[in-house]
Amino acid sequence: QSVLTQPPSVSAAPGQKVTISCSGSNSNIGNNYVSWYQQLPVTTPKLLIYENNQRPSGIPDRFSGSKSGTSATLDITGLQTGDEADYYCGTWDSSLSAVVFGGGTKLTVL
Amino acid sequence: QVQLQESGPGLVKPSETLSLTCAVSGDSISGVYWWTWVRQAPGKGLEWIGQVYRDGSTNYNPSLNSRATISLDKSKNHFSLQLSSVTAADTAIYYCTTEKYGDGQSYFDYWGQGTLVTVSS
Repeated sequence: QSVLTQPPSVSAAPGQKVTISCSGSNSNIGNNYVSWYQQLPVTTPKLLIYENNQRPSGIPDRFSGSKSGTSATLDITGLQTGDEADYYCGTWDSSLSAVVFGGGTKLTVL
Repeated sequence: QVQLQESGPGLVKPSETLSLTCAVSGDSISGVYWWTWVRQAPGKGLEWIGQVYRDGSTNYNPSLNSRATISLDKSKNHFSLQLSSVTAADTAIYYCTTEKYGDGQSYFDYWGQGTLVTVSS
């Protein structure tokens, strides 16, 4: 049981937009920054978004993040088959004094 | 560009101690990062193990019940993980990462390729 809650799976057609949600509480998302990671099949996780909505160099602007209260979302527009991956949200939990992750969301591009 | 490389035994017996090392290149272990271990059990999600800073400060995941120890070796520019009293539930891919931590932020920008550790007799 993950501290952060993500939908197990989402799907959409190529070219469409998908939103992945991440729900937490005041001790984690509510008072700390959220990051997002993409894990392509059988690869290392890659940082997609940090500080709620910042993209590292090289990450296309099709990927965007936002936060409101105790929830965060990752939007992916112009879906490509190469976006099929597992996506994880993460943040610091001030009560646990630990980093917590969501359980991951598997994106299928139909 | 930071590069990280994990090394250590791929097989550990139950009740023994898992020991892994992460070699760092492209940056000094005495720099601005926190140095962190994250693991992923087969078919499961990511789990943060803990972190160490250049001054030796550490934080650990409380779910590990004080079994984890992370340390630095500045002379070799690497850091290490020891996980004691392992069970089959500790079987996972172990990643070393850089962590930007502080002021409400925590994120992992560089990752090692990961090393699979299996706990089995």
